[in-house]
Amino acid sequence: ETGVTQTPRHLVMGMTNKKSLKCEQHLGHNAMYWYKQSAKKPLELMFVYNFKEQTENNSVPSRFSPECPNSSHLFLHLHTLQPEDSALYLCASSQDRGTGGGYGYTFGSGTRLTVV
Amino acid sequence: GEDVEQSLFLSVREGDSSVINCTYTDSSSTYLYWYKQEPGAGLQLLTYIFSNMDMKQDQRLTVLLNKKDKHLSLRIADTQTGDSAIYFCAERGSQGNLIFGKGTKLSVKP
Repeated sequence: ETGVTQTPRHLVMGMTNKKSLKCEQHLGHNAMYWYKQSAKKPLELMFVYNFKEQTENNSVPSRFSPECPNSSHLFLHLHTLQPEDSALYLCASSQDRGTGGGYGYTFGSGTRLTVV
Repeated sequence: GEDVEQSLFLSVREGDSSVINCTYTDSSSTYLYWYKQEPGAGLQLLTYIFSNMDMKQDQRLTVLLNKKDKHLSLRIADTQTGDSAIYFCAERGSQGNLIFGKGTKLSVKP
């Protein structure tokens, strides 16, 4: 257990479904991140939240919608996805976006998403 | 722009040393990192080095940093089959985010 918990571990969804990925950390971190990992682009930063405010959106399609209700929880809401969105979605946290010192990011184990 | 490059594959025999290399672009990076990803898992911080250091050793791991050439390497001594994984190099970019390389898949043959 790394301190960052992601649920579910695996998710299969149809293209018309709506689902949500959840990430939770109790490390006292203030920054949280969503990454997409696929064979084509190994680690693709999607969203960054720092102190609950979204500070970065890397041109992610609107079918991905993040939500950060507090510093401990991060969600990724999914709707009308495409098969090419199938990937491992990783959540990470750090002390805050600008620092974190030598500890870098703490990653969750990821959600393996398959869109059919 | 900020970029981190590393070779995609490395194959070694059990008991040999492994050296994984990485180059980065942001000379102002204060910390550089090595992460390990085992199959089906997230990334785990393996080690890091502060930019004013040339070398850091931690048991079987040795990190070498050449700031002039912007080159970082990870040496794993006495490589074991359990070391088989993908290893990511990362630098802290100017915006504070970590910039990751594409990862080097290390295969250890018995």
